[in-house]
Amino acid sequence: KAGVTQTPRYLIKTRGQQVTLSCSPISGHRSVSWYQQTPGQGLQFLFEYFSETQRNKGNFPGRFSGRQFSNSRSEMNVSTLELGDSALYLCASRNGNDLNSPLHFGNGTRLTVT
Amino acid sequence: ILNVEQSPQSLHVQEGDSTNFTCSFPSSNFYALHWYRWETAKSPEALFVMTLNGDEKKKGRISATLNTKEGYSYLYIKGSQPEDSATYLCAKRGGGGNKLTFGTGTQLKVEL
Repeated sequence: KAGVTQTPRYLIKTRGQQVTLSCSPISGHRSVSWYQQTPGQGLQFLFEYFSETQRNKGNFPGRFSGRQFSNSRSEMNVSTLELGDSALYLCASRNGNDLNSPLHFGNGTRLTVT
Repeated sequence: ILNVEQSPQSLHVQEGDSTNFTCSFPSSNFYALHWYRWETAKSPEALFVMTLNGDEKKKGRISATLNTKEGYSYLYIKGSQPEDSATYLCAKRGGGGNKLTFGTGTQLKVEL
């Protein structure tokens, strides 16, 4: 079974631009979550989607948005990029509706904003 | 404790040593405690999900305990090997769906 796939792996953008990151979950997983990691910080929760609906949102500005498609693939968009958005963005999928099942993470997208 | 905290921040041990680290979390509104191992250039990998006070989990040489009343979990590695070198993350699920609050991790380096 293929793991969680994130594309692209690396991205360099300029301040003010926007970016879209993609995540394909493990086949059969309907829950997809996004996390941001910056140096010195733990993984920060961005949002979670389940069956195309956003179920939870973290404390990030409205410039961060996401969506999920009917095949469970998810995209995350960041508009009007700021230098502080430079981070590793991790996507994770989970099996079914069991909130106590573990997360399966992708390898992440490393975003650099210059 | 207001946030999920992990200690120590980093640890160097010799091959064959046993070691342990701590995850402290707010004891209120507790639903589950996750442990993940994150090796360099790889994705975080789940070790355990623990939900009950007094719960103990074991996977090979790695085990974990949970105390939800006082808000802490210990991760133990017996007979450390170089391949155990990684960052170990814990995360609390405090309700509100699948949101996990992560600690900043303990970075373990096992030397020959």
